[in-house]
Amino acid sequence: GAVVSQHPSWVICKSGTSVKIECRSLDFQATTMFWYRQFPKQSLMLMATSNEGSKATYEQGVEKDKFLINHASLTLSTLTVTSAHPEDSSFYICSAKRDSGNSPLHFGNGTRLTVT
Amino acid sequence: QQQVKQSPQSLIVQKGGISIINCAYENTAFDYFPWYQQFPGKGPALLIAIRPDVSEKKEGRFTISFNKSAKQFSLHIMDSQPGDSATYFCAASKAGNMLTFGGGTRLMVKP
Repeated sequence: GAVVSQHPSWVICKSGTSVKIECRSLDFQATTMFWYRQFPKQSLMLMATSNEGSKATYEQGVEKDKFLINHASLTLSTLTVTSAHPEDSSFYICSAKRDSGNSPLHFGNGTRLTVT
Repeated sequence: QQQVKQSPQSLIVQKGGISIINCAYENTAFDYFPWYQQFPGKGPALLIAIRPDVSEKKEGRFTISFNKSAKQFSLHIMDSQPGDSATYFCAASKAGNMLTFGGGTRLMVKP
């Protein structure tokens, strides 16, 4: 089956530093990748939609200058949390689709970010 | 506006019982309804999905029932097992666009 790999699985950083999270589709080319944020005991909130070779589309309320998304290839998307603050601590999850239709959405295992 | 409403928020079921989770949606353009299972510290995993042209889909112990007129769909877990204890999310999308998730249901199956 399709596999989406996310790295790192957890990261602790100091306030003011930047953190990069990688999302890779291992056995398929993902034209579209999505980045979600999940707070404890809550649902997944879509942050942005990333299309290979073009700028990401951010959801309302998500700061594009703070959450930089790069989708440089059909198998790799990265999310960089810039100048992280404690309130950015959360569980970040990427997902990928094989095509633009109703193909299943496959999720990575998430990254637990803790900003101290 | 919450487009997909999920209930209950939490559910406790005895081993061997039936777990039932319900979702209701508002957007009649939705044409794809998946269910995801998420264990603590892990990303969601696709469990089963249905399209509005069928009223029921079964895969093993998991069944989706779909009521297009009522704009509701539900997940039934037959013979629930402790290993089924997880958070379940329903979702909906239209024409291959982004998924809209329900609020999630934390299921605990007691041995």
